[in-house]
Amino acid sequence: DTGVSQDPRHKITKRGQNVTFRCDPISEHNRLYWYRQTLGQGPEFLTYFQNEAQLEKSRLLSDRFSAERPKGSFSTLEIQRTEQGDSAMYLCASSLGLWADTGELFFGEGSRLTVL
Amino acid sequence: DAKTTQPPSMDCAEGRAANLPCNHSTISGNEYVYWYRQIHSQGPQYIIHGLKNNETNEMASLIITEDRKSSTLILPHATLRDTAVYYCIVRYGNKLVFGAGTILRVKS
Repeated sequence: DTGVSQDPRHKITKRGQNVTFRCDPISEHNRLYWYRQTLGQGPEFLTYFQNEAQLEKSRLLSDRFSAERPKGSFSTLEIQRTEQGDSAMYLCASSLGLWADTGELFFGEGSRLTVL
Repeated sequence: DAKTTQPPSMDCAEGRAANLPCNHSTISGNEYVYWYRQIHSQGPQYIIHGLKNNETNEMASLIITEDRKSSTLILPHATLRDTAVYYCIVRYGNKLVFGAGTILRVKS
């Protein structure tokens, strides 16, 4: 499978614990995005990378959230001291970065987080 | 980013055309209109996008009004597998800003 892969698909944790999600984009894609989606809502933008550089962060991304893409390939999203309000689906997407060509983001299946 | 307005839900009979409207009255001249859909428990899937002209691909057609303040996504022959949430997005810059979308239910 050459699509965007995310791991783990499901994570249940207790409030206050740290969690980390991994995203492996399509190999030749230089842009990588993180979104968060709660039940009944559309995905909300969190942050995006151009290669290893984090170019934009949403105000939704509090200090407890940190994202990295150290070698411009896979990315991790860490949530520290989780809160129940962090329960959501965390979606990763990648693109070539050539927006004028296709405008297409390729999304993974998401990582569902449940904070008890 | 310009905001979009979509009906919260629509029904369509299997085999018939599904016409999904979207209003984007504050769109500016260099903003594209994108459509994505999300089938339950999956990530969003790109459908089509356009700037001024109508567009067609293997999945759908996109009709943009001349003033660009609204658009319609057309699925020519809807099937049960087209049941999903459809998002109309106006993008400028480096990210997509999703709204709540339209839940399309295709019924047999």
